Amino acid sequence: QKEVEQNSGPLSVPEGAIASLNCTYSDRGSQSFFWYRQYSGKSPELIMFIYSNGDKEDGRFTAQLNKASQYVSLLIRDSQPSDSATYLCAGGVNKFYFGSGTKLNVKP
Amino acid sequence: NAGVTQTPKFQVLKTGQSMTLQCAQDMNHNSMYWYRQDPGMGLRLIYYSASEGTTDKGEVPNGYNVSRLNKREFSLRLESAAPSQTSVYFCASSPQGGTQYFGPGTRLTVL
Repeated sequence: QKEVEQNSGPLSVPEGAIASLNCTYSDRGSQSFFWYRQYSGKSPELIMFIYSNGDKEDGRFTAQLNKASQYVSLLIRDSQPSDSATYLCAGGVNKFYFGSGTKLNVKP
Repeated sequence: NAGVTQTPKFQVLKTGQSMTLQCAQDMNHNSMYWYRQDPGMGLRLIYYSASEGTTDKGEVPNGYNVSRLNKREFSLRLESAAPSQTSVYFCASSPQGGTQYFGPGTRLTVL
């Protein structure tokens, strides 16, 4: 079992809709969680990080963490075609495990 | 402020050849990481260095060695390349336990 699991997708949503990306992790000792976006052929770039249970909002993005359920999610509101990318979830303490990524397609 | 730089950008090796991938960061970060990314596999940690002078194995360390030369530089060495090491290699740095900043990647092909 991988330390961090994601549905590989692709997840297709129409422009303007909410995209919901999910991630589960197996190590209860993990303290920090990150969402990265990766465009094809490019390196990952940070979208959001979350350390505490609950929701964290930043513009169109909301990260949610539930440590009891070992679950992390990312909501993207008002999805745009430019949001089409692979989204990577990562968790850990000093070293971090990445999920295999969820490919998001936002259709105009 | 260049962030994280990696050299080379592309490399083709023959089976059994050796090479070193270079990584440097100018953000004064303590921690540095080497990942490989294969299609559909996400990022897998090869080695990491929590601070200058320390290195630790990640998920897939076999066939690789690393050197944390100083706070800025963290190199990855393939002593005897194998086709299974064909991948895209990313270096990253972070403040201790914090957000990782990635380099542009090295695309390595082993024939």
